[in-house]
Amino acid sequence: QQPVQSPQAVILREGEDAVINCSSSKALYSVHWYRQKHGEAPVFLMILLKGGEQKGHDKISASFNEKKQQSSLYLTASQLSYSGTYFCGTVQTTSGTYKYIFGTGTRLKVLA
Amino acid sequence: DAGITQSPRYKITETGRQVTLMCHQTWSHSYMFWYRQDLGHGLRLIYYSAAADITDKGEVPDGYVVSRSKTENFPLTLESATRSQTSVYFCASSVSPIRTGGHNEQFFGPGTRLTVL
Repeated sequence: QQPVQSPQAVILREGEDAVINCSSSKALYSVHWYRQKHGEAPVFLMILLKGGEQKGHDKISASFNEKKQQSSLYLTASQLSYSGTYFCGTVQTTSGTYKYIFGTGTRLKVLA
Repeated sequence: DAGITQSPRYKITETGRQVTLMCHQTWSHSYMFWYRQDLGHGLRLIYYSAAADITDKGEVPDGYVVSRSKTENFPLTLESATRSQTSVYFCASSVSPIRTGGHNEQFFGPGTRLTVL
């Protein structure tokens, strides 16, 4: 099952903050975040491996609550370049192989 | 070209025809993946491969066939295309999560936009 992301879409003005949530019904070993600009391929942002871990990438950071099976992506002082669709992804193991399952996506639009 | 490439980039076909989408990577990544992207569904995993000759189903495998005889290639075939398979298809690769303890990212190809009439 795909992780569920919320909100589905958000519109911001430059300089405003946003939070994107990712929730899974299955236990999470790790959480990956990707950003996809319109018409392009998804690009990796960061991975969180441990419960409660927080990582940062420029003014974009994320947290991972293993017990709640949730992760949140924080975009601070948003810039026009932040516009795009954000995906969380999780790793699931099946019979010794690993597969990546992505969330439903959150469309972010930053206006000048 | 270095990296991960997909061909064709755009394809229009008719219902019932067989279509093969190609994916090629030059990094010798052991893992390769096929996703389809549709509005409202995000990226859904179709098939994946842990190594040459090892493939497994993802979330939405029905109507698709894959093979992986060489590490660098992972073609996706739609045996009899249907309109519901109209989508953007992304191929991705990564090193084995086993090697890196999960510290690895996926690298995506540019995508193939497929329209089934």
